[in-house]
Amino acid sequence: ETGVTQTPRHLVMGMTNKKSLKCEQHLGHNAMYWYKQSAKKPLELMFVYNFKEQTENNSVPSRFSPECPNSSHLFLHLHTLQPEDSALYLCASSQVRRDQETQYFGPGTRLLVL
Amino acid sequence: AQKVTQAQTEISVVEKEDVTLDCVYETRDTTYYLFWYKQPPSGELVFLIRRNSFDEQNEISGRYSWNFQKSTSSFNFTITASQVVDSAVYFCALSSWMDSSYKLIFGSGTRLLVRP
Repeated sequence: ETGVTQTPRHLVMGMTNKKSLKCEQHLGHNAMYWYKQSAKKPLELMFVYNFKEQTENNSVPSRFSPECPNSSHLFLHLHTLQPEDSALYLCASSQVRRDQETQYFGPGTRLLVL
Repeated sequence: AQKVTQAQTEISVVEKEDVTLDCVYETRDTTYYLFWYKQPPSGELVFLIRRNSFDEQNEISGRYSWNFQKSTSSFNFTITASQVVDSAVYFCALSSWMDSSYKLIFGSGTRLLVRP
């Protein structure tokens, strides 16, 4: 069972295109995350939104632009990407609590940049 | 520095064999959490278990069991009587409280192939 959905599931884009990835969580959580998973690399945290405020930006290039209009929705706007940006982009959500927290992930968007 | 090491890149077993996936972590925090996630070919990371640093009791859930040993900084995962559906990449992760939120640090994953 997954309470986190992502669209589209697959995306092919040229380097000059602009596209957006969408994530929605149905778990009532207050934090959302974007991760990048490339072949042969560990999962990399890109952005964190906590109560709709961006609290983390892990030195991500400006061609990736996140947006969190409310605690249930998270977007990743893409423009002028490079072929090395091809990866699986995973969204996650959690309920931020000081004593414990578990992140739940969506199915991901497989992005291919040509 | 926080770090998670999964030394086994890939494991192949025959169905019904038992298999153990190793996880070693590094942290200076006294309060932290350890996780295992499963990633089937579909791509989604499926949460399996969370263990906090104060609870060293081993846990069993059906064919899955976890062995947390603080003395060796290890959190190993055993699948008993493996099945083809267990084929996936398994990630161990460590989280600790930093800057008003928990940060998850993942290992590089172990790919498990269960052959019929």
